[in-house]
Amino acid sequence: DIQMTQSPSSLSASVGDRVSITCRASQDIRNDLGWYQQKSGKAPKRLIYAASSLQSGVPSRFSGSGSGTEFTLTISSLQPEDFATYYCLQHNTLWTFGQGTKVEIK
Amino acid sequence: EVQLVESGGGLVQPGGSLTLSCAASGFTFSKAYMSWVRQAPGKGLEWIARVKSRADGGTTDYAAPVKGRFTISRDDSKNTLFLHMNSLKTEDTALYYCASRNWGWGQGTLVTVSS
Repeated sequence: DIQMTQSPSSLSASVGDRVSITCRASQDIRNDLGWYQQKSGKAPKRLIYAASSLQSGVPSRFSGSGSGTEFTLTISSLQPEDFATYYCLQHNTLWTFGQGTKVEIK
Repeated sequence: EVQLVESGGGLVQPGGSLTLSCAASGFTFSKAYMSWVRQAPGKGLEWIARVKSRADGGTTDYAAPVKGRFTISRDDSKNTLFLHMNSLKTEDTALYYCASRNWGWGQGTLVTVSS
């Protein structure tokens, strides 16, 4: 089974800050990774697919990078509506989610 | 517009059974690989089952915690995905989502296993 290690588990940041979240895969998953945002009581929403492609309709302040075993989601300038929990998801072999990162207001 | 609408959740006693449904529309359901993902209260997302498209064999896969107890199936004639859950445990209490990597997620249906 592929394990995904996501860090940090939580972070506090201010509006306008640059924020990065990392996922590490236990084996090479090429670029078979997506990033999801989940707000309280809502279904997850995909932000990034294929590790670095921006989902249609998602603001350009979100970006993804990486391939192989290390991946990063970056929010270039945090906005009030970005406070949420973020998950990575590998789909190279079945699906495995990272543990999640809760982004809170500082 | 793509829609995935789950139903069938509810309160069930430990050891009981329940079947969830997911009605799909707005995309070619028969070509999609479909999954069930659950989220226990206050916890993260957990993938539990997948069924491939019939064209790709229609095979199924399960996560270890549900293997042997849950069965995923699909009815392409009705654009519907199912999750048959047996021998339910209290730790199966969660919001259950149907999901497609390319077509999105439903809003979830809550399953509570409690005596």
